[in-house]
Amino acid sequence: AQTVTQSQPEMSVQEAETVTLSCTYDTSESDYYLFWYKQPPSRQMILVIRQEAYKQQNATENRFSVNFQKAAKSFSLKISDSQLGDAAMYFCAYRRGLGTASKLTFGTGTRLQVTL
Amino acid sequence: GAGVSQSPSNKVTEKGKDVELRCDPISGHTALYWYRQRLGQGLEFLIYFQGNSAPDKSGLPSDRFSAERTGESVSTLTIQRTQQEDSAVYLCASSQTAGDYNEQFFGPGTRLTVL
Repeated sequence: AQTVTQSQPEMSVQEAETVTLSCTYDTSESDYYLFWYKQPPSRQMILVIRQEAYKQQNATENRFSVNFQKAAKSFSLKISDSQLGDAAMYFCAYRRGLGTASKLTFGTGTRLQVTL
Repeated sequence: GAGVSQSPSNKVTEKGKDVELRCDPISGHTALYWYRQRLGQGLEFLIYFQGNSAPDKSGLPSDRFSAERTGESVSTLTIQRTQQEDSAVYLCASSQTAGDYNEQFFGPGTRLTVL
């Protein structure tokens, strides 16, 4: 079974600074996707960024980027120029690739605080 | 168009009672998923529906939990004889298909409290 581990229950960053959230996963599959989701207090899950395992290039979305280390099964999220609106729970998630079993497997989350 | 909607937003029930939670997916989305989020935890997969295929029920925690979906529209998650351990936020998501990559769009969830 696939597992996703987030070892940082809470992180704090000052506004305009950079923060990195860690995620490791375990799988025997070769084809899969990895995701970072943001969950503000409204409970709405928002997709931040995704990475296809077959792509060597790290995904970027504006201020958000990932460091995908496939051999190490590591998938960290870097938030640059942090803003107050980035404060939320962040979840790392895994999904098998093509075909069946498209459910998402989530880590336990990291609560990000952004301070002035 | 409208996103995924769920009702009720909050539900308080007494131990032993049955509850029904509703999910309206995005129109045209053939795949629908239910997840459970306990306090301070990540989301746990419960069940998913894909078109007319048999649903994947592998995440349902007990036979007290069941779900139905009418065609490619509304889904209902039913919990019978609720227990305090069932207290959680229940989130629904939908996507265009289950295969390949298709983003799952989440609803706002139903917070269930079992007294």
